[in-house]
Amino acid sequence: DIQMTQSPSTLSAFVGDRVTITCRASQTISTWLAWYQQKPGKAPKVLIYDASSLETGVPSRFSGSGSGTQFTLTISRLQPDDFATYYCQHYDSYSYTFGQGTKVEIK
Amino acid sequence: QVQLVESGGGVVQPGRSLRLSCAASGFTFSSYGMHWVRQAPGKGLEWVALIWYDGSDKYYGDSVKGRFSVSRDNSNNTLYLQMDSLRVEDTALYYCARGRGHNYGYRDSWGPGTLVTVSS
Repeated sequence: DIQMTQSPSTLSAFVGDRVTITCRASQTISTWLAWYQQKPGKAPKVLIYDASSLETGVPSRFSGSGSGTQFTLTISRLQPDDFATYYCQHYDSYSYTFGQGTKVEIK
Repeated sequence: QVQLVESGGGVVQPGRSLRLSCAASGFTFSSYGMHWVRQAPGKGLEWVALIWYDGSDKYYGDSVKGRFSVSRDNSNNTLYLQMDSLRVEDTALYYCARGRGHNYGYRDSWGPGTLVTVSS
């Protein structure tokens, strides 16, 4: 099975900061990667699909890039509503592994 | 708008069975692959199962293969997860989610989840 490794596990940042989260796949997955945001007590919400396509309704400060085995999620200017946990997830095959999550905290 | 509502969770003893349901509305249910995803308390997300739009293909995560079975009733817009031989480690919040894109791979709509607790 394909393993997904996110870094960092926790990230402390100020409102207005540029934030980057990295996701690495154990084997190539082309661009079959999604990013989700999850707030406490809520279901996840998709932000990015196909590595770089912004889901409808998601603010443009979120962006995704990468292909093959290395991917990044960038928040250009962190807003108070963005403090949450973020997960990457591949869909190259029918195994759909998630990364372990990155918690973005207020500094 | 798209709405997914899970039900059927509860407390069950190890080795017993439970069936979860997910009622879908606001979209053409029979056109989409559907997933179950779970999240143990304080832990990350784990994919459980996928069923194709017409029920013709089903896939399972390694930790539930042979014990869980996914099905759907397109005439009633309902997704199911039959969970047998439950283990303590199956304790989690179970979400149903709509699949989109390549291999129905990313989930664009989720229910609020139903909690399953496996305990003696």
